[in-house]
Amino acid sequence: GAVVSQHPSWVICKSGTSVKIECRSLDFQATTMFWYRQFPKQSLMLMATSNEGSKATYEQGVEKDKFLINHASLTLSTLTVTSAHPEDSSFYICSAMKRGYQETQYFGPGTRLLVL
Amino acid sequence: SQKIEQNSEALNIQEGKTATLTCNYTNYSPAYLQWYRQDPGRGPVFLLLIRENEKEKRKERLKVTFDTTLKQSLFHITASQPADSATYLCALDPGSGYSTLTFGKGTMLLVSP
Repeated sequence: GAVVSQHPSWVICKSGTSVKIECRSLDFQATTMFWYRQFPKQSLMLMATSNEGSKATYEQGVEKDKFLINHASLTLSTLTVTSAHPEDSSFYICSAMKRGYQETQYFGPGTRLLVL
Repeated sequence: SQKIEQNSEALNIQEGKTATLTCNYTNYSPAYLQWYRQDPGRGPVFLLLIRENEKEKRKERLKVTFDTTLKQSLFHITASQPADSATYLCALDPGSGYSTLTFGKGTMLLVSP
């Protein structure tokens, strides 16, 4: 199997605070992890790609200073939403690629963020 | 511009029938195309991958076809069950070489008993 977990599964925070979301590959090493955002009834939008030990590559229009990504090990990537605002409220999903399997992405269960 | 189009309206079918979902794309030359299932409030789950040189792929009750001339993939679920009710996403590698995926908006399938 290829299990990816996310923590927390949901979070409510006040505007202006920072929120950290963790993504872990539980039973495999993930050379590459991806972070997506999904608004209701919309497709998954790729925010950034991160490789272990290197800086993340952000998609056009995604502010790297607002969405900080750290891929510290082969099993853990974190996304920090800094100074969150209500418009950042969304469903954040991470995915991971197994070493040697560069096509299939295994997704986490997602984190629902609500910024008040 | 690049586009991936899936039926935006929900597909309602009766249990036991075959469900067919469509994914059309323009201005891409994908090396492969994938189908995922997504339940409400959950992350997508990988179902099938089909490469550009493959016409058809099967896995249990699932079948995917890939026509690179028509720029279309069809996803079939035979002998559908209420448990198959979910949103189905197609995703393709945009050919950038970075193994990223671009997703369609998905089609919701509702299988009634």
